[in-house]
Amino acid sequence: NAGVTQTPKFRVLKTGQSMTLLCAQDMNHEYMYWYRQDPGMGLRLIHYSVGEGTTAKGEVPDGYNVSRLKKQNFLLGLESAAPSQTSVYFCASSYSMVTDTQYFGPGTRLTVL
Amino acid sequence: DQQVKQNSPSLSVQEGRISILNCDYTNSMFDYFLWYKKYPAEGPTFLISISSIKDKNEDGRFTVFLNKSAKHLSLHIVPSQPGDSAVYFCAASPVSSGTYKYIFGTGTRLKVLA
Repeated sequence: NAGVTQTPKFRVLKTGQSMTLLCAQDMNHEYMYWYRQDPGMGLRLIHYSVGEGTTAKGEVPDGYNVSRLKKQNFLLGLESAAPSQTSVYFCASSYSMVTDTQYFGPGTRLTVL
Repeated sequence: DQQVKQNSPSLSVQEGRISILNCDYTNSMFDYFLWYKKYPAEGPTFLISISSIKDKNEDGRFTVFLNKSAKHLSLHIVPSQPGDSAVYFCAASPVSSGTYKYIFGTGTRLKVLA
C-alpha cells in the first residue's frame, strides 16, 4: 500500500515551458487535492476533485489546469511556467467526506528559472 | 487576508515539558479544525481534529482546545519528545456550508530539546 505518490520529486523548468505533475493514490479515495507551499505561507489549495471526471478551482488556480480521468490519478498541468510558480507542490487525497483525513504525498519541488 | 494565523513561527521546548502551539482564525463560519505535522522533505501528516461542537479533543499526548468566542485554538503536546520536532500547521474549514476546502495557517516550527 503506497498511499499517495507524486512524480517527479524535483524539476527545474525554464520560463514558458510546460509540464505535468502526477499524483497517484491506491486507497480508493474519492477526493483529491493539489496544494502549493511557499516560504512564510501555509498550504494553499490550487484545484481539487470530488470524484472521477470532476475538478474545481481552489484558492490559487490561475496558471494551472487539472484532470481526473481515473479515480486513482490527479494530474496538475502548467501550460506556460512562470517564476512565480516556483514552489513545493503537494497532492492529497481523502475518502469521501470533507472531514475525512487528508493523506499527503511527499511533494514535488519545482523551480522555474 | 490571512484567515488562519499562526503568529509564532517557531517554538523551542525542553524534552518532557509541555508544548503549546496556537492558532487564530477570523472567519466565524469555520466549524472544523485540523492540526497537521510536517517533517522536512515529507508531506504533512494528520495529527488531530476538532469540531466546533466540542471545546476539547484528546489523542494520547496531543490535545486540541477550541475557544470559539475568541476564535482561537491551541495544540498541547505533553510530554514533548525530540521526535515531535517538526512544523505544525493548523487548518480550518466551514464544512457546514458544503465546502471541500481547508485554509491553512503558515505553520509553527517546534524544536524539542533533549
